[in-house]
This record gives sequence, structure tokens and C-alpha cells, in this order.
Amino acid sequence: EAGVAQSPRYKIIEKRQSVAFWCNPISGHATLYWYQQILGQGPKLLIQFQNNGVVDDSQLPKDRFSAERLKGVDSTLKIQPAKLEDSAVYLCASSLERSTEAFFGQGTRLTVV
Amino acid sequence: KQEVTQIPAALSVPEGENLVLNCSFTDSAIYNLQWFRQDPGKGLTSLLLIQSSQREQTSGRLNASLDKSSGRSTLYIAASQPGDSATYLCAGREDTPLVFGKGTRLSVIA
Repeated sequence: EAGVAQSPRYKIIEKRQSVAFWCNPISGHATLYWYQQILGQGPKLLIQFQNNGVVDDSQLPKDRFSAERLKGVDSTLKIQPAKLEDSAVYLCASSLERSTEAFFGQGTRLTVV
Repeated sequence: KQEVTQIPAALSVPEGENLVLNCSFTDSAIYNLQWFRQDPGKGLTSLLLIQSSQREQTSGRLNASLDKSSGRSTLYIAASQPGDSATYLCAGREDTPLVFGKGTRLSVIA
């Protein structure tokens, strides 16, 4: 069974530029999450989707971050404009349903200079 | 609001030792608790998931327990190996997405 796929693996951008990350969850998983992990910290939820609807985006900085999940499958997370403090690993995860085991992708390491 | 704490932040043990990693959470109304392993520069690998109705789960040399009344979970690793060196994260779920601790960085010395 294929796992959660994310791309790119690494990205370096200058502050005020924009960037987008892509995630393909495990086939059949209705729930998709984006987490932000700053070095030395545990992952922090940015947004949760159930199929193509948003369940929780309370911690998403909506002035610069946006995310969508078209057709309830793939998802993209965008940052525009990026700030230095956005440097982190962005992790995508999926689960069959909201309360079942979550599986994570390899993450995208973003460096903002 | 659920908060998850992991102690110690770092641990170094000689190869072959049995060890316990601790995780505490503030809200006992927990659906389940999941333990993950994270290698440097990598994503999270799911190790064990314990449902709120269960008290423990085992997988190979790993055993995880859950005590909702005390707000604690432990991950027991038997006969540790250098390949076990990684950061171990626990995460609890209520009717919410996973809330993570900061992790315990484990080093197993050959």
C-alpha cells in the first residue's frame, strides 16, 4: 500500500515570496491534515479536511496561508507571502476517518531566507 | 484544550537496556493515543495506536500503555538497539485532530 506522498522534499525561498506544497494521501482516506513542525517542537495542526470540507483551521494564519483539497483527494498548502518564521517542516497526514490511525508523509522542509 | 507533555526531553542509554518513555496529557476525555517515531529529516512513522477502551498495545519489542484516569501513557522498549535511536512523539486525540508532545530524543549507544 502506497503511503502519503508529499512534494517537494525541500524548498528554499526568500521572504515575501510565495510557495506551494502538494500532498497525495493514502487511497480511500477521507481525513487529511497539514501540520507545521518547527525545529525542536512537536507538530502543530494547521488545517484538517474531511473529504473536501474544512473541519478545523483555527490555527491556520489565514492572512498568509491557504489550503484546498479538490475532489476530496490531493491537497495543496500555499504560503503567500512567506516570512522568516515560516521556516519549518510541513507534514501531511491522512487517516481513514477522523478517529483512526494517522499516517504521515516525509514532509517538506521549507527554509525562508 | 488538550496539552501533551513528554519527559525526558532526551535520553541516552547503552545498547541492550530496557527503557520507558513517558507521555502525559491534561484531558482524560481522550479517544486514542498514538506513538510515533521520527528519524532526523524524515516524517513520522506510526508505531502504536491505543484506543481509549484499551490499556495497552504491543508490537515486537514495543509496548505502549494508556491510563486515562491518571492522564499518562508509556512506551516501553525492550532490549534497545542503536537502530532505535530517533525522536519518539506521542499524540492524543479527543474529538479533535492529534495534539503532539515535543518528543523524547533517544540515543542508544553501541
